Amino acid sequence: GQQVMQIPQYQHVQEGEDFTTYCNSSTTLSNIQWYKQRPGGHPVFLIQLVKSGEVKKQKRLTFQFGEAKKNSSLHITATQTTDVGTYFCAGPKGAGGTSYGKLTFGQGTILTVHP
Amino acid sequence: GAGVSQSPRYKVTKRGQDVALRCDPISGHVSLYWYRQALGQGPEFLTYFNYEAQQDKSGLPNDRFSAERPEGSISTLTIQRTEQRDSAMYRCASSLVGGLAGNYEQYFGPGTRLTVT
Repeated sequence: GQQVMQIPQYQHVQEGEDFTTYCNSSTTLSNIQWYKQRPGGHPVFLIQLVKSGEVKKQKRLTFQFGEAKKNSSLHITATQTTDVGTYFCAGPKGAGGTSYGKLTFGQGTILTVHP
Repeated sequence: GAGVSQSPRYKVTKRGQDVALRCDPISGHVSLYWYRQALGQGPEFLTYFNYEAQQDKSGLPNDRFSAERPEGSISTLTIQRTEQRDSAMYRCASSLVGGLAGNYEQYFGPGTRLTVT
């Protein structure tokens, strides 16, 4: 079945350093979503990417969808302590990665930021 | 506006008992999803509804698990004859619409932490 893999599993950075997490799917995806979960909290939607090669920015966060629509990345510039949490990518869970209203989540990247 | 709410927030039950977990989605959201999240893992899809219709239940682990959304709003996830392996965080999410119309952002509730002793 479809799998969504994320690396790295953990990332420890000093405040001010950059951070990147990568997401790879075994199948082509129609779209990909990114969520952030703070410690003790619930996943919160960040963004959805739909187009091949799409790049979107939210302040210090840059999201990219690969040309083949099988991988994605999230890059944070100059991390802050407020960036702490687990970042998940999620792709539609259906045949051929099409949209069937259900998501397959990656295992997440846990980001720790040391002040 | 109110977000997704779930109750109870914590549930401790003895092995063999039935439990019912409730989800109250954001008003007007068509789609409702149930996930199970183990510690240190991403949410794992269980089932989802559009309105009152259960669209997919392929993620339910076995026939002890069932879900309903009779009036297209509140949903209940029921686990019969609970086992220790059922212990996990159960999360509900809702979205404006899902399915072939496209994956819209999902709003998650705080979850129910289920512990089976």
